[in-house]
Amino acid sequence: EAGVAQSPRYKIIEKRQSVAFWCNPISGHATLYWYQQILGQGPKLLIQFQNNGVVDDSQLPKDRFSAERLKGVDSTLKIQPAKLEDSAVYLCASSLGPGTSGNTGELFFGEGSRLTVL
Amino acid sequence: AQKVTQAQTEISVVEKEDVTLDCVYETRDTTYYLFWYKQPPSGELVFLIRRNSFDEQNEISGRYSWNFQKSTSSFNFTITASQVVDSAVYFCALGSYNQGGKLIFGQGTELSVKP
Repeated sequence: EAGVAQSPRYKIIEKRQSVAFWCNPISGHATLYWYQQILGQGPKLLIQFQNNGVVDDSQLPKDRFSAERLKGVDSTLKIQPAKLEDSAVYLCASSLGPGTSGNTGELFFGEGSRLTVL
Repeated sequence: AQKVTQAQTEISVVEKEDVTLDCVYETRDTTYYLFWYKQPPSGELVFLIRRNSFDEQNEISGRYSWNFQKSTSSFNFTITASQVVDSAVYFCALGSYNQGGKLIFGQGTELSVKP
């Protein structure tokens, strides 16, 4: 079974530039998450989708971050304009989703996209 | 509010030593679940174990064991006879269906096992 795919793996940009990250979850997983992991810290949830609807985006800095999940499959996370403090690894995860038969609550993570803002 | 605390930032041991990683959590949910994930240098979070709040049985899987104590809100992880390949950052995480399935992570404990 293919895992969660993310791209690009690495991205270096200058502050005020824009960047986009792409995620393809495990087939059949209804729920998709974007987490931000700053060096030395645990992952922090940015946004959670259930199919193509947003469940939780309370910690997403909406003045500069946006995310979409068209057709309830792939997702894109965009940052515009980037700030120095956005340097982090952006992790995408997916799960079967609450209430789904067979759901254990486990999140399956991709390898992450490492962003460096200069 | 939900919170996970991993008080140990870094632990360094010599190969074959036993090591315990601590995890303390806070939640108001009556039904919840706890996870441990391993993050090797490659960056991907690797699932190790999931525990439901209504199941306080300790679990052993090879060299790994987990001690879940609801009375102290702790879910500690022990590696017996550590190996160099165990070197990684380990995260404890808390989730509940009331929270829509998202996981709240602790700060992580970086384990270094030296030969």
